[in-house]
Amino acid sequence: SQQGEEDPQALSIQEGENATMNCSYKTSINNLQWYRQNSGRGLVHLILIRSNEREKHSGRLRVTLDTSKKSSSLLITASRAADTASYFCATDLGANSKLTFGKGITLSVRP
Amino acid sequence: DGGITQSPKYLFRKEGQNVTLSCEQNLNHDAMYWYRQDPGQGLRLIYYSQIVNDFQKGDIAEGYSVSREKKESFPLTVTSAQKNPTAFYLCASSISAGFSPLHFGNGTRLTVT
Repeated sequence: SQQGEEDPQALSIQEGENATMNCSYKTSINNLQWYRQNSGRGLVHLILIRSNEREKHSGRLRVTLDTSKKSSSLLITASRAADTASYFCATDLGANSKLTFGKGITLSVRP
Repeated sequence: DGGITQSPKYLFRKEGQNVTLSCEQNLNHDAMYWYRQDPGQGLRLIYYSQIVNDFQKGDIAEGYSVSREKKESFPLTVTSAQKNPTAFYLCASSISAGFSPLHFGNGTRLTVT
């Protein structure tokens, strides 16, 4: 089934370092979205990148999309302890299709 | 503050009992969704509604039922037919059908023993 698969499954970095998370998917998409989930809470939408876009920025977040490789990356620069969370990519095939989530990446930022 | 309210946060039930999870939104969104999340797993879609009085099955609808009588409300009933109901349930909404982007509530953790 169409599903984003994140890589790595878990990432542990020091505060101030950059965190890079990857997402691969299988078929053509309308857009790809990244969400964050703090422990025991709901997901929060971070950023949406459309299939005709290659890069988007939002504050310390940078998302790239390579449709030829069917992959996306989320870069968090100058990480903070508060960035500790799970991060999910979700793919939207468009045309009223369903948003499909990956299993998520657990990011731990050490103070 | 606009948002999605799920209640209760924790719910405990005995096996064989039906239980209803509440989801209310004041974002004036047309579309609402229910997802299930199991440990270390992504979200799986249970049901979604694109408009009042209409809803569709998602990927894992068996053992669940929903209603959408009001735009603001989309309750989920976990029936005794659901074989493995213990999970974290998330309700979400979006401005219109098409799933993009989703606003989530803070979830209800259901434990069935």
